Amino acid sequence: AQSVTQLDSHVSVSEGTPVLLRCNYSSSYSPSLFWYVQHPNKGLQLLLKYTSAATLVKGINGFEAEFKKSETSFHLTKPSAHMSDAAEYFCVVSEYGRGSTLGRLYFGRGTQLTVWP
Amino acid sequence: GAVVSQHPSWVICKSGTSVKIECRSLDFQATTMFWYRQFPKQSLMLMATSNEGSKATYEQGVEKDKFLINHASLTLSTLTVTSAHPEDSSFYICSARGRRELSYEQYFGPGTRLTVT
Repeated sequence: AQSVTQLDSHVSVSEGTPVLLRCNYSSSYSPSLFWYVQHPNKGLQLLLKYTSAATLVKGINGFEAEFKKSETSFHLTKPSAHMSDAAEYFCVVSEYGRGSTLGRLYFGRGTQLTVWP
Repeated sequence: GAVVSQHPSWVICKSGTSVKIECRSLDFQATTMFWYRQFPKQSLMLMATSNEGSKATYEQGVEKDKFLINHASLTLSTLTVTSAHPEDSSFYICSARGRRELSYEQYFGPGTRLTVT
């Protein structure tokens, strides 16, 4: 069975400082993992996805995530936060591998990122 | 490309009435669409999966007769909340899965906020 745990419901950082959003997963198979961002009253936008091609995945807007099988983690990072990064972030696991969203998606509870000026 | 729209973006209705929400893939064909429900400060919960031309598959605990889903074409799925009650108030998000040329990616709509008074 697949499941996702986002370890922090809320993260606050100052503009220009690093961002770390933590995610642990549980999967019976070699998973596909995703990070989505949701701005207020907007739909979800894909930031990046793990497809098993490389453990360090680069996404849009300077975000990246590292897949660590031994730790069953897929933490999202950004070296320098921007005000526009303030949003809700969801870690997601798919029951299919290789970056596929063919199957059902399992969502974490979300992490609200606040960026202070 | 790969844009999904939802209409309306928000709706207020009286208890006991029915509300229809549309989900459209604007520039691609989607054989499968998904309907999610999101409570405030919580994650997305999959309600049902609909395939074009066939009956929707509902998740456990979701009332089929209350949440009617129709996927009549490759670009349109509708969710009708019948005899709505205040506890049905929520944010409803759809996603549409593209075909092979889009790597079967899921694209999310902007969501519809339903308030039942």
